[in-house]
Amino acid sequence: DVKVTQSSRYLVKRTGEKVFLECVQDMDHENMFWYRQDPGLGLRLIYFSYDVKMKEKGDIPEGYSVSREKKERFSLILESASTNQTSMYLCASSLNRGMYETQYFGPGTRLLVL
Amino acid sequence: GQQVMQIPQYQHVQEGEDFTTYCNSSTTLSNIQWYKQRPGGHPVFLIQLVKSGEVKKQKRLTFQFGEAKKNSSLHITATQTTDVGTYFCAGNTDKLIFGTGTRLQVFP
Repeated sequence: DVKVTQSSRYLVKRTGEKVFLECVQDMDHENMFWYRQDPGLGLRLIYFSYDVKMKEKGDIPEGYSVSREKKERFSLILESASTNQTSMYLCASSLNRGMYETQYFGPGTRLLVL
Repeated sequence: GQQVMQIPQYQHVQEGEDFTTYCNSSTTLSNIQWYKQRPGGHPVFLIQLVKSGEVKKQKRLTFQFGEAKKNSSLHITATQTTDVGTYFCAGNTDKLIFGTGTRLQVFP
């Protein structure tokens, strides 16, 4: 079974802090994704990566950056956290860039920015 | 940009009643996927539909893909409390776009 893990289930940070969310997958998947989930808005794509050191902006990249130094690890960085970034953050991975690939999600990190 | 909308946003049903959620895309899709997220959990893949007009069944769940490949539906017959959760469709063109989700609550 594919396993996607995220570094924290719950996180509380203060406005202006730099926040790192880590995601690791153990199935040698090429693609990794970061989403945020908010009530009524579904899953919105922040950034994704199709290969090591490659990244592409999703629908809502503002205020976020990412890093993919190793194939299994994809990090989401909030350079200066703000209260409107309070949300559930979900990491996902998929095998390759094929059109029919399904995504496997991690358990999520619920971030509260005070 | 491309959008995928789902209705209703919430649905409360009595156990044993049927439930349907609808998914509509602003553009033609290559395929559509459905995911289920249990309360407190993460989205888990259920099924993928590829062909125009395709219908697939998983026990009490019936999935349909529209003829124009711009809409889809998920129908649950005789809901059970284990069906509780949020159901997402995800439409695929050059990337996967998730719908807004339908949260289902089932009362015993």
